Amino acid sequence: NAGVMQNPRHLVRRRGQEARLRCSPMKGHSHVYWYRQLPEEGLKFMVYLQKENIIDESGMPKERFSAEFPKEGPSILRIQQVVRGDSAAYFCASSRRTTTNEKLFFGSGTQLSVL
Amino acid sequence: AQKITQTQPGMFVQEKEAVTLDCTYDTSDPSYGLFWYKQPSSGEMIFLIYQGSYDQQNATEGRYSLNFQKARKSANLVISASQLGDSAMYFCAMRPRGGYQKVTFGIGTKLQVIP
Repeated sequence: NAGVMQNPRHLVRRRGQEARLRCSPMKGHSHVYWYRQLPEEGLKFMVYLQKENIIDESGMPKERFSAEFPKEGPSILRIQQVVRGDSAAYFCASSRRTTTNEKLFFGSGTQLSVL
Repeated sequence: AQKITQTQPGMFVQEKEAVTLDCTYDTSDPSYGLFWYKQPSSGEMIFLIYQGSYDQQNATEGRYSLNFQKARKSANLVISASQLGDSAMYFCAMRPRGGYQKVTFGIGTKLQVIP
């Protein structure tokens, strides 16, 4: 069974460009979560999606950031007009259910560097 | 809102000794789940152990155990017989009960095992 797949592993963008981060959840998982990790900081929740629906986007900046999880295909985290402060590791996680004891399975992350 | 506090930015432990990593949490939810994850230098997030707030016994998984004190709202991770491979970041996390709930993480503790 393939785990959570994120690509690209590393992404370099210049200021003002767009960044698109992809996440394919584990087979059978319909819940996807995106987190951002800055150096020496923990994982900060950004957005929680279920197929075709955004469940909770309370951690995602209202400007420039968007996320989707279409019926077919991977979940996409999109950052428009990137700035240096967007440089971070972005982790995707998935779960089959949302019961209290349901652990998250994480991808290897995408390291975004903005020049 | 949920909050996870990890007050130890860094910890050292001698190989083969036991170490306790602290985690306190704040929530108004009567029912919730607590998780610990390990992040080695390679970056992936590895699930270690889970504790439910109504579980009668403290959770154990091999060398990992959770010292759960509900009244104090603490869920400390105990690693016994430390190994060099235990050197990593450790994150405490919480999910409240109920559908469609996000998982909130602490800022982590960096553990270094000394030979």
